[in-house]
Amino acid sequence: GNSVTQMEGPVTLSEEAFLTINCTYTATGYPSLFWYVQYPGEGLQLLLKATKADDKGSNKGFEATYRKETTSFHLEKGSVQVSDSAVYFCALTSPTTGGNTPLVFGKGTRLSVIA
Amino acid sequence: NAGVTQTPKFQVLKTGQSMTLQCAQDMNHEYMSWYRQDPGMGLRLIHYSVGAGITDQGEVPNGYNVSRSTTEDFPLRLLSAAPSQTSVYFCASSYVLAGGSGANVLTFGAGSRLTVL
Repeated sequence: GNSVTQMEGPVTLSEEAFLTINCTYTATGYPSLFWYVQYPGEGLQLLLKATKADDKGSNKGFEATYRKETTSFHLEKGSVQVSDSAVYFCALTSPTTGGNTPLVFGKGTRLSVIA
Repeated sequence: NAGVTQTPKFQVLKTGQSMTLQCAQDMNHEYMSWYRQDPGMGLRLIHYSVGAGITDQGEVPNGYNVSRSTTEDFPLRLLSAAPSQTSVYFCASSYVLAGGSGANVLTFGAGSRLTVL
């Protein structure tokens, strides 16, 4: 079945540091890949997505490239800010004959950015 | 737009009590789902619905019931609460991405924190 593995946190960085959060997946067919972010006390919200191999999703300075050869979708940001402190979830859905499978999430990686 | 609205935000139950978590969306999304979030476990799918009158089980359906009588509403029922159901519950609705992938993009509610004593 489909699954997502994320690097375990928490991750603590200083402001303006480079961020990488690793995500690898197992899926049937050609999945669509997502990163969601959860700020304290809130629900998850979509950060970025990629629907086919070699696509790069980007938003708010974050980027992730869909690498089918390594089954990975690592999240990166060149210079983090305190406001980026949140929990980040990698997720996927894959196509079936009846539509797409429900979204499967990784366990989440907590990021803390200190000034 | 209100988006996805969940009520209540907080609830404390005693073991064996029943309750319903409400979820409503005003985006005319066909697909709705319920997840629970537990420390170290990420989000796990409880039940989902691809349209009014259609529901299906997710990864952890035991102890929960759902129904989908309208497009807008997708309540989650706990018939006899247990301490293992202490969690944060998220409702989500979704639209299908254009461009052929068919992937669903979820919009989440703010969550309902349930404690079962």
